[in-house]
Amino acid sequence: AQTVTQSQPEMSVQEAETVTLSCTYDTSESDYYLFWYKQPPSRQMILVIRQEAYKQQNATENRFSVNFQKAAKSFSLKISDSQLGDAAMYFCAYRSGETSGSRLTFGEGTQLTVNP
Amino acid sequence: ETGVTQTPRHLVMGMTNKKSLKCEQHLGHNAMYWYKQSAKKPLELMFVYNFKEQTENNSVPSRFSPECPNSSHLFLHLHTLQPEDSALYLCASSRLDRYTFGSGTRLTVV
Repeated sequence: AQTVTQSQPEMSVQEAETVTLSCTYDTSESDYYLFWYKQPPSRQMILVIRQEAYKQQNATENRFSVNFQKAAKSFSLKISDSQLGDAAMYFCAYRSGETSGSRLTFGEGTQLTVNP
Repeated sequence: ETGVTQTPRHLVMGMTNKKSLKCEQHLGHNAMYWYKQSAKKPLELMFVYNFKEQTENNSVPSRFSPECPNSSHLFLHLHTLQPEDSALYLCASSRLDRYTFGSGTRLTVV
């Protein structure tokens, strides 16, 4: 079974600075997807960024980027120019490469605080 | 509004009550999921439905009973729950690798 581990229960960053959230995973599959989700106090799980394992290029979405190291099974999220609205719980998630109805397996989450 | 609607938003129930959680999506997604989110724990997958057929039951106690009448609607029927079942219950839907989550039902069992 696949597992996802986030070793940082809490992180903090100063507004406008950069922070990196860590995620490692364990799988025997070669085809899969990785995700970072953000969950603010509103409870809605919001997709931040996704990465297909077969792509070597790291995904980026505006201020968010990932460092995907497939051999090391590592998938960290970098948030640049942090904003107050970035404060939330962040979850790393794994999905098998199966075509349909495949579960997301989540890590424990990292609570990010942004200090003004 | 995310595209996945969950009702009610909050629910307080006694251990002898019977209640149901509802999830609805009109995104054209074929798969629907129930997750349980407890404090300090990863999200736990409970059930998966794909084209309204249950494809996964993650050893969930029988006091939780899912129902999926069609690909747009998913229910979670609750009866004789325990206090440790208090949690946030999240519904999600997906098509391929695109997932959308609802805002959850905060359940408190007293």
